[in-house]
Amino acid sequence: DGGITQSPKYLFRKEGQNVTLSCEQNLNHDAMYWYRQDPGQGLRLIYYSQIVNDFQKGDIAEGYSVSREKKESFPLTVTSAQKNPTAFYLCASSIGARGHRDEQFFGPGTRLTVL
Amino acid sequence: DAKTTQPPSMDCAEGRAANLPCNHSTISGNEYVYWYRQIHSQGPQYIIHGLKNNETNEMASLIITEDRKSSTLILPHATLRDTAVYYCIVTWDGSEKLVFGKGMKLTVNP
Repeated sequence: DGGITQSPKYLFRKEGQNVTLSCEQNLNHDAMYWYRQDPGQGLRLIYYSQIVNDFQKGDIAEGYSVSREKKESFPLTVTSAQKNPTAFYLCASSIGARGHRDEQFFGPGTRLTVL
Repeated sequence: DAKTTQPPSMDCAEGRAANLPCNHSTISGNEYVYWYRQIHSQGPQYIIHGLKNNETNEMASLIITEDRKSSTLILPHATLRDTAVYYCIVTWDGSEKLVFGKGMKLTVNP
């Protein structure tokens, strides 16, 4: 089955620790995205990557970092500089660098709680 | 900022058509209308998109007014599994961004 996987589904960390969220896709998509969702709110774009070894900041990139060393993988690190890291994190991918014109396929999400 | 306005919630009876409205009065000529939905605690799911013409696929129909200032997503025979938050998104060709507002909660009742 082709799709996007995010692991783990639930993640707990102590304040001040960096944490890396996994996102893998086997859809052969070039573009990948990270969003954050807070309760009762819509999604906000953190980072996106249109091609391997390249990525751009979204609307709320501060306190986050990403890498895109492989086409299939786009891990997100939530650093200790992120003031309010507790949220639901969603990864998505789309076919090519045309961005939104291709539908975005979303993973199941990781719910991060910082204690 | 989201460029669309949706009512916060709507109810629909199972088996009936659900008509979900969206206003996008500031839409420009090269901007598309997209609809996604998000079932509780899952990732959003693409439904349909359009520019000017009405569109239909296996999930829904999208009706865009002639002046393009509003649109309606139609789920022809709503089921309980259609209960979700529905997002109407306007974005221009070439943009990587999908700006998700708060969306509209559709509850399908038995």
